[in-house]
Amino acid sequence: DGGITQSPKYLFRKEGQNVTLSCEQNLNHDAMYWYRQDPGQGLRLIYYSQIVNDFQKGDIAEGYSVSREKKESFPLTVTSAQKNPTAFYLCASSILGDGQPQHFGDGTRLSIL
Amino acid sequence: GQQVMQIPQYQHVQEGEDFTTYCNSSTTLSNIQWYKQRPGGHPVFLIQLVKSGEVKKQKRLTFQFGEAKKNSSLHITATQTTDVGTYFCAGPRSGNTPLVFGKGTRLSVIA
Repeated sequence: DGGITQSPKYLFRKEGQNVTLSCEQNLNHDAMYWYRQDPGQGLRLIYYSQIVNDFQKGDIAEGYSVSREKKESFPLTVTSAQKNPTAFYLCASSILGDGQPQHFGDGTRLSIL
Repeated sequence: GQQVMQIPQYQHVQEGEDFTTYCNSSTTLSNIQWYKQRPGGHPVFLIQLVKSGEVKKQKRLTFQFGEAKKNSSLHITATQTTDVGTYFCAGPRSGNTPLVFGKGTRLSVIA
């Protein structure tokens, strides 16, 4: 079955540590996205990519970094510069085009130790 | 920047009652989408509306897109416990850029 796989499901970060969240899709989608969701809040866009080796900042990119070396993969690194990283992180993908529907992974819950 | 507002933020209903959530955009939208997120789950795409005044139905769910293409609504008839979750609307930003999501309406259904 085609879909988006995020791992791990739960992740704990120590102070001063960088952690990387994995996102892989086999939907052959060109566009991929990372969102942060806090309790009772909507989805806030961190980064997105529409083509391999290119990506753009979203609304809350500070303290995060991404790479897009392969079409299928779009890992997100939460750096030590992100002082409030505890949240639910969602990866999504879509075909290219203005406002295309997005398919989401199951998400990763990140907590501070 | 473009904003998409949703009301209400929370709604508690008795099972069998109807439910409506509203979405309003600060700008005209080329399309509007609705997603459902079950508790502990991820958002799942429900539907996309494109035409001015469009109405679409999915069983007990009715989706409308306003004539001015700046607002939308989702109405659920006779809610069931399986309807519990948060409903998000989303619309395209200007240019070839990602969707902007509303903050969602969390629906609780009391059996």
